[in-house]
Amino acid sequence: QVYLQESGPRLVKPSETLSLTCTVSDGSINSFYWTWIRQPAGKGLEWVGRVFASGSTNFNPSLEGRVAMSIDTSRNQFSLQLTSLTAADTAVYFCAKVKCIGGSCYDWFDPWGQGIPVTVSS
Amino acid sequence: DIQMTQSPSSVSASVGDRVTITCRASQGINKFLAWYQQKPGEAPKLLIYAASTLRSGVPSRFSGSGSGADFTLTINSLQPEDFATYFCQQAKSFPPSFGQGTKLEIK
Repeated sequence: QVYLQESGPRLVKPSETLSLTCTVSDGSINSFYWTWIRQPAGKGLEWVGRVFASGSTNFNPSLEGRVAMSIDTSRNQFSLQLTSLTAADTAVYFCAKVKCIGGSCYDWFDPWGQGIPVTVSS
Repeated sequence: DIQMTQSPSSVSASVGDRVTITCRASQGINKFLAWYQQKPGEAPKLLIYAASTLRSGVPSRFSGSGSGADFTLTINSLQPEDFATYFCQQAKSFPPSFGQGTKLEIK
């Protein structure tokens, strides 16, 4: 069973850039898609984007232009950068693995990291 | 984007009861649907994918059904650890999207 752990700042100022890292417990980062999902307090889940081992990415159009992701397979880590932060970006940010079955990958997420709460406030 | 609508938003039940939660997609998604369980302060956990396939390790009292636009999650013989919030999520169309959640509370 692979484990994921988010790390990064928990308080960031408006207009600044959020940078989060997800550390994967094993070498499977070389072979799969990895994703970020966020959840404002007491609300639902919003898919942010995904990054493949090759470095290719896809983002939620609602965040297009503000989001970037990268991957460092040598460190078993992938990262999220979100720019021009506002209070609306305050949320718990989860990293997760995209589920692959028989060589095909689907946007189902398993497992998830424990999540990191991020507050955007001055 | 595909909108996912769950009902009810909350439900009260007792240990031993059977509960059904529904999820409707704004357009057909074949069987590209998953269900997650989330407890307070924890990350969601995958229960079911492909509408009806139980993730390894998930108790058999959980089951999923449906295809197209209408889906159900059924929990038979509720256990104390099942009281949580449940989310559906579609994986057919980009971007992936979630329902708003159904909170299952103890009666």
